[in-house]
Amino acid sequence: KAGVTQTPRYLIKTRGQQVTLSCSPISGHRSVSWYQQTPGQGLQFLFEYFSETQRNKGNFPGRFSGRQFSNSRSEMNVSTLELGDSALYLCASSVQGEFYTGELFFGEGSRLTVL
Amino acid sequence: AQTVTQSQPEMSVQEAETVTLSCTYDTSENNYYLFWYKQPPSRQMILVIRQEAYKQQNATENRFSVNFQKAAKSFSLKISDSQLGDTAMYFCAFMKHSGANSKLTFGKGITLSVRP
Repeated sequence: KAGVTQTPRYLIKTRGQQVTLSCSPISGHRSVSWYQQTPGQGLQFLFEYFSETQRNKGNFPGRFSGRQFSNSRSEMNVSTLELGDSALYLCASSVQGEFYTGELFFGEGSRLTVL
Repeated sequence: AQTVTQSQPEMSVQEAETVTLSCTYDTSENNYYLFWYKQPPSRQMILVIRQEAYKQQNATENRFSVNFQKAAKSFSLKISDSQLGDTAMYFCAFMKHSGANSKLTFGKGITLSVRP
C-alpha cells in the first residue's frame, strides 16, 4: 500500500507570491490534516479535511487555505507569502469509522523556503 | 486548550542502554489518546507507540514502553536496548478521543542521539 505522498518536496518562492502544496493520502483514508513545522514554533496544526469538508482549523491567518477533492486528495494554498512561512509542511491521513485508532500517517513533507 | 511539554531538548544514550524521554500534558478532557512519534533525519514522522487514556495498563511495543500517569498528566517513553536507528527527534502528542477529530497537539520534541 502506498504511503502518504506530498508534492513538491522542495520549493523556493519569493515574498508576495502564492504556493499550492498537494497531498495524496493512503488509499481508503478519508481524513487529511496539515501541519506546519518550524524550528521556533515546532509542529502546529493547520486544518483537517474529511469528505471534502473542513472539519477542524488551527490558529493561522486566512492566507492559509485548503481543500479536499472527492478522491480524498488535498491541497493547501498559502497566498501573499511572508518570510515566516518558510517551513516544512506535513500532510497526514487517517482512517475513520470503526477502524479509527487516532493514528496519523505522515508524508515526507514539502519544504518551502520564502526569500 | 491542550498543551504538551517536553522540557528536555536533547538527550544522548550509548547503544544498547536504556533511555527515558519525558512528557507532561495539560487537559480538561477525560478521554484522549497520547502518542509518541519519531521523526528520523529523513523527516517522515512515524508512530512509535499509542496510549488510550481510559486504559490503565501501560502500552508496550517491542523495545518501547510508556509510563502513563494520568493523575500526574505524565507520559514518558522508555527505549530499551537503544539502537543506532533510534537516533531521531521524538515528539509527544495529544489527541482528543473523538472519531470526528484528527488534530494532534505536539510537544516541542526532543533530539535523541544514540552513540555507537
